[in-house]
Amino acid sequence: DAGVTQSPTHLIKTRGQQVTLRCSPKSGHDTVSWYQQALGQGPQFIFQYYEEEERQRGNFPDRFSGHQFPNYSSELNVNALLLGDSALYLCASSLGGVGTDTQYFGPGTRLTVL
Amino acid sequence: SQELEQSPQSLIVQEGKNLTINCTSSKTLYGLYWYKQKYGEGLIFLMMLQKGGEEKSHEKITAKLDEKKQQSSLHITASQPSHAGIYLCGAPLGAGGTSYGKLTFGQGTILTVHP
Repeated sequence: DAGVTQSPTHLIKTRGQQVTLRCSPKSGHDTVSWYQQALGQGPQFIFQYYEEEERQRGNFPDRFSGHQFPNYSSELNVNALLLGDSALYLCASSLGGVGTDTQYFGPGTRLTVL
Repeated sequence: SQELEQSPQSLIVQEGKNLTINCTSSKTLYGLYWYKQKYGEGLIFLMMLQKGGEEKSHEKITAKLDEKKQQSSLHITASQPSHAGIYLCGAPLGAGGTSYGKLTFGQGTILTVHP
């Protein structure tokens, strides 16, 4: 049973560029949540996708956008990168109908913005 | 201030010692999750607590939820080097717990176990 997978593992970009991160949920899960984890901090919720729509959003600017595909996989896009966007980006999947269903996390994508 | 406060922020213990990590919420807890993270890697789900007074165990790790105190504790018995890592508590802190998966996390507790 494949767990949550993310790609790429690492990414280096320069300020002002755009980046796309990808996530495939755990088998049987239909909901994907994205989190940003800065060094030494707990993860911060970015948004959640369910039934191909953004269901809830955290306190992140519009530069952060996402998409969910019919196969439940998801992308996170960040435009006009800032140095402060350097972080570990985590994707989590769950079964969407239940709000408190356990979220299972992927290995993360380490983004470095120079 | 953090909505979920973990204490201590870091912990260094000798192998074989017991230890406790606490997670205190500033809001009503409708459930709480404990995860473990190796540095720079994803979060590994440990356990979920849903009801006040609930206690769960997995191998040598036990977690309890005290709804009245809005607090959870994670206890490790006879620690081993394999227990080392970052322990994170997370909770749905939206109104009535209906945050549809938006988890708020504590800042993490870094555990080091010396052999």
